[in-house]
Amino acid sequence: ELKVEQNPLFLSMQEGKNYTIYCNYSTTSDRLYWYRQDPGKSLESLFVLLSNGAVKQEGRLMASLDTKARLSTLHITAAVHDLSATYFCAGGSGGSNYKLTFGKGTLLTVNP
Amino acid sequence: DAGVIQSPRHEVTEMGQEVTLRCKPISGHNSLFWYRQTMMRGLELLIYFNNNVPIDDSGMPEDRFSAKMPNASFSTLKIQPSEPRDSAVYFCASSSGTSGKETQYFGPGTRLLVL
Repeated sequence: ELKVEQNPLFLSMQEGKNYTIYCNYSTTSDRLYWYRQDPGKSLESLFVLLSNGAVKQEGRLMASLDTKARLSTLHITAAVHDLSATYFCAGGSGGSNYKLTFGKGTLLTVNP
Repeated sequence: DAGVIQSPRHEVTEMGQEVTLRCKPISGHNSLFWYRQTMMRGLELLIYFNNNVPIDDSGMPEDRFSAKMPNASFSTLKIQPSEPRDSAVYFCASSSGTSGKETQYFGPGTRLLVL
C-alpha cells in the first residue's frame, strides 16, 4: 500500500525567502500530483508529474519528481503572502491506477 | 466551465438522521470520486465510479454509507443513520480519460456536522 509523507507539516516563511516542501512515498508511484487548498475551500490542482526527472513551474512554484529516490519537491521562490495555503502531494500506484493517496499537507504561512 | 458542483455546501443534522450529499461532475468526465477530509485522517477516498459504475468502494467506512451514480451527471452519497464521527468535509471530484493518470478536479465540498 502506497504511503505518502510530507514535510514539514507547518512552514512559516518571510516574504521574499525561498523554501522547499518535500514529499516522500513508500512504493513505486507512476504519478505525483500537487494540490493547493485555501482555508475552507476546495483543492486546486497545481502540477501533475508523470515521469522521472519531470519538472514543472508556474509562477513562484516549481515541482519536480525523482522516482528513484521516491521523492517529489515543491520549491517556493521569493514567497509572497498570496501563497499562504495548505499544499498537498498525492501519489498513485499502478495497481489501482485511479486511486490517489494524499499526504497530510503542509500549512504554509507567508509573513510580511 | 462550471466545475464540479456539490450540494448542500453545509449540513447540520442530528445523530440518527439520514444525510444525502449530491454531486454533479464536470460535463464529459467519466470518472467520479467521493473523498472525506478530517483533521485526524486527512483526505480519504471513499468510492470511485467509472462510466457510472462503482469500481472500488473499499474506502466506504461501513454499511451506513452508500453511493449511487444513476447517470453521468449526478451522484449521491448517503449516510443512514448518521453519527457524530461522520462530521467531516466531503468532496466530490471528477476526471476524464482512461489512463488513470488524469488530474482529478475537486468540487467545493460539503461541510457536514452531525450533532
